[in-house]
Parts: sequence; structure tokens; C-alpha cells
Amino acid sequence: LAKTTQPISMDSYEGQEVNITCSHNNIATNDYITWYQQFPSQGPRFIIQGYKTKVTNEVASLFIPADRKSSTLSLPRVSLSDTAVYYCLVGDSGSARQLTFGSGTQLTVLP
Amino acid sequence: GAGVSQTPSNKVTEKGKYVELRCDPISGHTALYWYRQSLGQGPEFLIYFQGTGAADDSGLPNDRFFAVRPEGSVSTLKIQRTERGDSAVYLCASSTGTSGSHNEQFFGPGTRLTVL
Repeated sequence: LAKTTQPISMDSYEGQEVNITCSHNNIATNDYITWYQQFPSQGPRFIIQGYKTKVTNEVASLFIPADRKSSTLSLPRVSLSDTAVYYCLVGDSGSARQLTFGSGTQLTVLP
Repeated sequence: GAGVSQTPSNKVTEKGKYVELRCDPISGHTALYWYRQSLGQGPEFLIYFQGTGAADDSGLPNDRFFAVRPEGSVSTLKIQRTERGDSAVYLCASSTGTSGSHNEQFFGPGTRLTVL
């Protein structure tokens, strides 16, 4: 299984850009990198997924270097409502067993 | 459209009792997953269905846990002889099941199980 390592917590202020980095040194060739967001008392919500280089959608960007051993989730201009736990997952479509969430990063956005 | 729904939202039971937790996936989603989440931890994979069959049940912790999906839609997670350590939030997720979509899961709100 491709293990992921993320910071336990991060603080930011409203309006700032937040970058959360995830390490996955033993990522396999077929693995995708996916980020989820979870608010208290809710199930996780899909944010973004990528395989290499850069992916951008309406809420975030995902930066993946050429060696794919890490990835960075970038949240532009965060607001208080972005306070949540963010999970980095690494896995492929061949086995659901490899979908390991880990403990995630608690992002706290301060006013 | 309607998302993934789970019932009940909360379940309190006594040690040794049997419980059933229900999941209604998004219509048309062939893949269905069950996870267990303890306080302060990320979701822990339990079982994955593709259609009616359990494609991967390697995450079930022991034989007290069982899940079914008889018609390829609604799924029920069954826990026999509950123990206090089973207390957690049980999450259900579904996805389209197409190639590459294992990671694009839509989660329900979860069922909070408390075993006294």
C-alpha cells in the first residue's frame, strides 16, 4: 500500500492561499492522487484528483512533481468555511483496499 | 439529485446486541463502499461492492461484521454481538464504478453507532 504522510494541523487566515503537502514515497505507477475534505459530522467530500503535473478545478489546484513522490493541494483565498480536515489518498482503480485515508490535516482558518 | 443516504443517523445499542445499518447509494452507482471512522481518525475501509457481489471484504475486522447488497443498490451492514469497541461512525459511499473512479466517491452522512 502506498502510505501517505501529511501535517497533522495547519492554521491560516482568511484570504490567504493555503498549501497542504502530502508525501507518498512508494507511489505505484497506476496510482492516482486524490484529496478529500471532511467537515465535522459529515462524510468526506471529493475535492480534486490527479496523476501528474497540475490539475485545477473551481475550488482547488493539485500540484504533482515529476517523480510523483509528493503532491500539494492549493486552496486559493481561504475562508472560515474552509476549516476542515483534508485527506490525501493514493491508490489505483484495481483495488478498493488501497484506499487508505490516514489521519488527515486539520486546517483551521482564522478571521 | 439525491445523494447517498444512511439510516439510522444514530444508533445506540447494548453490548452483545445485533444491529443493521442501511445505505442507499446514488441511483445508477454500481460501486458501494463501507467505512468505519473513529474519533480523530480517517475513515477505515471495510468492504467494497461492485454490483451485487462483495468485490473486496478484506477490511472487515472479524466475522461479526457482514454486509449484503442483494439487488445491487441498497446495502446493509450487519454487526453481530456488538462490542464497545465497535462504537464509531459508519460511513457509506458510492461511485460510478467505472475505471479510474475508485477514488471519486460520494459519501453519506454516516451512522453514529454507540455500544453501551
